[in-house]
Amino acid sequence: SQELEQSPQSLIVQEGKNLTINCTSSKTLYGLYWYKQKYGEGLIFLMMLQKGGEEKSHEKITAKLDEKKQQSSLHITASQPSHAGIYLCGADGGGSYIPTFGRGTSLIVHP
Amino acid sequence: TAGITQAPTSQILAAGRSMTLRCTQDMRHNAMYWYRQDLGLGLRLIHYSNTAGTTGKGEVPDGYSVSRANTDDFPLTLASAVPSQTSVYFCASSDSMGEQFFGPGTRLTVL
Repeated sequence: SQELEQSPQSLIVQEGKNLTINCTSSKTLYGLYWYKQKYGEGLIFLMMLQKGGEEKSHEKITAKLDEKKQQSSLHITASQPSHAGIYLCGADGGGSYIPTFGRGTSLIVHP
Repeated sequence: TAGITQAPTSQILAAGRSMTLRCTQDMRHNAMYWYRQDLGLGLRLIHYSNTAGTTGKGEVPDGYSVSRANTDDFPLTLASAVPSQTSVYFCASSDSMGEQFFGPGTRLTVL
C-alpha cells in the first residue's frame, strides 16, 4: 500500500516568514492533493498536482510535484495567522482509487 | 449548494450501544468515503463506496458497517460501540478528477 510521510510534524513561525512542508510517497504518485484543516473543522481542498514537475499557486501558497512524482512540497510565502491549521497531503491509489493521507503538519503562525 | 452534510455534530455514546452516523451529499458524486481522524494517526479510511450499490473496506473497517442504497447517502453504523471508537469521523465524496469534498465531521465519544 502507498504511504505518505509529511515533514515537519509541526511548525511554529513568526508572521511574515516563509515556510515549506514536504510530502514524500513510498510509490509513484498518480495524483497528489493538498488540503488544509482548521482546528476542529473539516478539510478544505487547496490544490491538485498530477504531472511531474508541475507547480501550482493559490494566493501565497505554492505546491510543487517533483519530476519523479514521489515528493511534493507546499510553500507559504509571507505567512499570516490565517494560514494556521493542519496541512495534509493525500494521494489517490491509482487504479484502485483508494485515497491515502499523510499524518498532517500542524502550523502555528504568531502575529 | 450544501455540499456534504453530516449528522450529528457530536455525540456521547455508552459502550455497547449502536449508532448510525449520517452523511448526505448533493453533488451527485459517485465515490464516497468514511474516515476517522485521531491525534497522531491522521486520517484513516474506514469504508468507501465507488458507486451506489457497492462498498469496500478501507484501512480500519472492523466494528463499522456501511451501506450505499443511493448516490446521495452513505451512513456509517457502529453495531456495538467500544471506547476505542472515540474519534472524529469525516465523510467525503469525490468527483471524477479525484478532488475530495469533506463534511464538517462528527465528534463521537464512547464511554
